[in-house]
Amino acid sequence: DSGVTQTPKHLITATGQRVTLRCSPRSGDLSVYWYQQSLDQGLQFLIQYYNGEERAKGNILERFSAQQFPDLHSELNLSSLELGDSALYFCASSVATGSGFYNEQFFGPGTRLTVL
Amino acid sequence: AQTVTQSQPEMSVQEAETVTLSCTYDTSENNYYLFWYKQPPSRQMILVIRQEAYKQQNATENRFSVNFQKAAKSFSLKISDSQLGDTAMYFCAFMMGTGNQFYFGTGTSLTVIP
Repeated sequence: DSGVTQTPKHLITATGQRVTLRCSPRSGDLSVYWYQQSLDQGLQFLIQYYNGEERAKGNILERFSAQQFPDLHSELNLSSLELGDSALYFCASSVATGSGFYNEQFFGPGTRLTVL
Repeated sequence: AQTVTQSQPEMSVQEAETVTLSCTYDTSENNYYLFWYKQPPSRQMILVIRQEAYKQQNATENRFSVNFQKAAKSFSLKISDSQLGDTAMYFCAFMMGTGNQFYFGTGTSLTVIP
């Protein structure tokens, strides 16, 4: 158990809908990262938050957005869902960002999203 | 932009034998970290081993060790005494020293044969 929790574990929805994925980082971790893993694919970095602020952005679609709350949990919002958005969405957390600071990421179990 | 390449989509090894998984990366950064993650059928991402770019000594973690060649931008993973539980997808990953962004390779599916 990495200490990172994600809910829900599974989510089935229809095209055009909007969903929210939730992530609680490990206690003490300030950074949260979101990744998308499509079937038989590697992980695509979506976005990173550090202590409530967006720190880095990857290949995140405009239909997707995220935020990190004062209690450090994070939510990933996916809207106008398409069939191609079906994937496993991982959240990871790490202690902090900063040059020279070791930043191992701990991954949650993922949320499997199925868009029908 | 940083890229991570794993050129072996699938590999297999006999139980108790040794196998090496390849990874190359491209970056202009000097301060970075490299990782190998394991993803078993449960799909959980598990850190196997990590290497700081500024360290010349190769990292080892029990049966797992790396061959880090900074000039060649190569970071291979050696698994000794392979066990059935090592069957998984293995991802090589690169992280910049600032801790921003993580780049993953496309993975190598390893099967340990009894």
